[in-house]
Amino acid sequence: DTAVSQTPKYLVTQMGNDKSIKCEQNLGHDTMYWYKQDSKKFLKIMFSYNNKELIINETVPNRFSPKSPDKAHLNLHINSLELGDSAVYFCASSQDHPLAVAKNIQYFGAGTRLSVL
Amino acid sequence: EDQVTQSPEALRLQEGESSSLNCSYTVSGLRGLFWYRQDPGKGPEFLFTLYSAGEEKEKERLKATLTKKESFLHITAPKPEDSATYLCAVQEGSWGKLQFGAGTQVVVTP
Repeated sequence: DTAVSQTPKYLVTQMGNDKSIKCEQNLGHDTMYWYKQDSKKFLKIMFSYNNKELIINETVPNRFSPKSPDKAHLNLHINSLELGDSAVYFCASSQDHPLAVAKNIQYFGAGTRLSVL
Repeated sequence: EDQVTQSPEALRLQEGESSSLNCSYTVSGLRGLFWYRQDPGKGPEFLFTLYSAGEEKEKERLKATLTKKESFLHITAPKPEDSATYLCAVQEGSWGKLQFGAGTQVVVTP
């Protein structure tokens, strides 16, 4: 069983379109994350949810909107896609606790490669 | 200003040729330093967490160490299957916000 699964694996779309990426984890974790990995392989955090509550919201265009229907799912919706949005998007989860770094081991999905044409 | 810097950017090793990767960080209140391995087309895979200066952890041919300013990932007698990009990340705040370095791409040739 895949612990953190993302769909789709590849997404090719035109500029201006709206698209969604889905993420599900079966680890029973309380916290989920979205990261963006650009062409230089730099992984940057975008959002984090703990028990469906937004706890990290980095400087990300408001065209990106995360949604967490329950603690096992965190989806990412992107409006009006731009060329610069092309990247690999990773979902991750952890059994996070603010006082316990040991529980912050983050488990990543395989990524969604988004190409905006 | 970069908080996590990894060097070298790329490393080519012969099988059995040991080497070290460096991760230097400038965060003020380090809560944890993480090493991940990333294979092409896959997500990062957790390797180690280090919490305080002087700590060391080992797994097969890999050994991670931590000082107050940097961490090293030592690869002893590497094999081709150790080829991957190794990522370092630091946690500074209370929640799980990780700052990643750009990674070191390691290629081990037979």
